[in-house]
Amino acid sequence: DTEVTQTPKHLVMGMTNKKSLKCEQHMGHRAMYWYKQKAKKPPELMFVYSYEKLSINESVPSRFSPECPNSSLLNLHLHALQPEDSALYLCASSQAPGQSYAEAFFGQGTRLTVV
Amino acid sequence: SQQGEEDPQALSIQEGENATMNCSYKTSINNLQWYRQNSGRGLVHLILIRSNEREKHSGRLRVTLDTSKKSSSLLITASRAADTASYFCATVSGGFKTIFGAGTRLFVKA
Repeated sequence: DTEVTQTPKHLVMGMTNKKSLKCEQHMGHRAMYWYKQKAKKPPELMFVYSYEKLSINESVPSRFSPECPNSSLLNLHLHALQPEDSALYLCASSQAPGQSYAEAFFGQGTRLTVV
Repeated sequence: SQQGEEDPQALSIQEGENATMNCSYKTSINNLQWYRQNSGRGLVHLILIRSNEREKHSGRLRVTLDTSKKSSSLLITASRAADTASYFCATVSGGFKTIFGAGTRLFVKA
C-alpha cells in the first residue's frame, strides 16, 4: 500500500466552526507533513511530525492545530478560520527523518473553503 | 518560505516536442526532487537526484544538477498530452524539510 489517504476531499466551513482534516498512511513512514497550497502557488510547509512528535512548525497561526495520535494518523484541527485560509491542504509522509534521500508520498488533498 | 525558483512559469508545446524546465535554489541541499501535480490535486514524485550526482534518467525524464550554480533542470522528451501538469522542484535540507519551488505549468497540445 503506497497511498496516503486524506479525508474529506472537500470541506466548506464557517468562520465559527471547528472541523478536522484527517490523513492516514500504512507505509510505516515515521515522518508526516501538512502543506497548504493556494491556487497557482507551490505547496507551503506547515508542520512536520517526526516519530509522532512535532518537529517543525513554520510559524503557523494557532487556529491550525496538528495532532499525530499514532504513527499512521495525522490530523489537522481547524478553529475560527478566516476566508484567506481557503486552500488545498496536502498531507505527505516519508521514511524516517534523517533519511534525506527519501521521497515524499502525497495524499490527494482536502479542498477547504472558509465562508 | 520558498526555496526554488522555476523557469519558465508556463510552457506550451506540441505533442512530441521536448520540454525543459529549470529550477534554481539558494541554500545547500541534501538532494533535489521533482514532482508533478495534476489539476491542483496531490503531488506525485518523479525523480530524485542526490547532491553528489550530476545527471539522472528515468524513462522519458532527464534531470541534471549543478550544485556550483545551485540549479537543476528537468527534461521531458517526446512529450504527450498526458504530461500536461504543473511541475515542481523541491529541495531537501536538514534531513526532511522539503521546500518547493514556484513551479512550471506545462501544457502539451495534441
